[in-house]
Amino acid sequence: GNSVTQMEGPVTLSEEAFLTINCTYTATGYPSLFWYVQYPGEGLQLLLKATKADDKGSNKGFEATYRKETTSFHLEKGSVQVSDSAVYFCALSDPQEGANSKLTFGKGITLSVRP
Amino acid sequence: DAGVTQSPTHLIKTRGQQVTLRCSPKSGHDTVSWYQQALGQGPQFIFQYYEEEERQRGNFPDRFSGHQFPNYSSELNVNALLLGDSALYLCASSWGPVNEQYFGPGTRLTVT
Repeated sequence: GNSVTQMEGPVTLSEEAFLTINCTYTATGYPSLFWYVQYPGEGLQLLLKATKADDKGSNKGFEATYRKETTSFHLEKGSVQVSDSAVYFCALSDPQEGANSKLTFGKGITLSVRP
Repeated sequence: DAGVTQSPTHLIKTRGQQVTLRCSPKSGHDTVSWYQQALGQGPQFIFQYYEEEERQRGNFPDRFSGHQFPNYSSELNVNALLLGDSALYLCASSWGPVNEQYFGPGTRLTVT
C-alpha cells in the first residue's frame, strides 16, 4: 500500500536558518503530494502541493519539488522565522482512487525556531 | 467565508459509551472526510462521504460510522468507546475536481 516516511524529529533551528525536512513516499501509481502544517491547538493547514513529477509547490517562502526518481518531496525554506514553529506533515493521495481520495500522512515533525 | 467547522471542541466520555461528532464543510464543498489523529502521530483516514454515501473507508472497525446530510454537513459516530479511541478527530472538506482537502480545528475526544 501507499506510505509516507518523514525524517525523525524534533528539529530546532535559529531564526533565519535554512530548513530542510525530508519526505519520501511509496506508491504504486503517480500520487499527488502535499505538505500540511499544524500550529499548536489547531487543525491542519495546506501549505503546498504538487501533482506530477518535477512540479514545484511553493507558499509563504516554503518550497518542495516532486522527485519521482527518488520518490521524494522534501520541504525547504531559505530563512525560517519564529512563527514557523509548528508540526509539519507530508502526505499523499492516489488519483487512481478518485478525485480528493484519502490522504496518507507521515508521522509529522516538530519544528521549533528560536529567536 | 467560513472554513470547516467542527463541534464540540472537546468531549469526555466513559468507556462503552457512544459519541457523535459534527462537521460543517467549507462553503461550496461537497465532500467530507474524517481522520483520527492520536497524540504525536499523523492523521489516519477513517472514511469519506460524497453525495450522502460513504465513498471510501480506511481500516477502522464498524464501531465507526458516519452520515452526510443534504446540506453536505456530516456526523461521525463511534459506538462502544474504548480507551484507545481517545484522539483528535479531524474533519476535512473538498470539492469535486480540486484535489485539496481543508481541515477543521478538530474535536478532542477523551475516553476514561
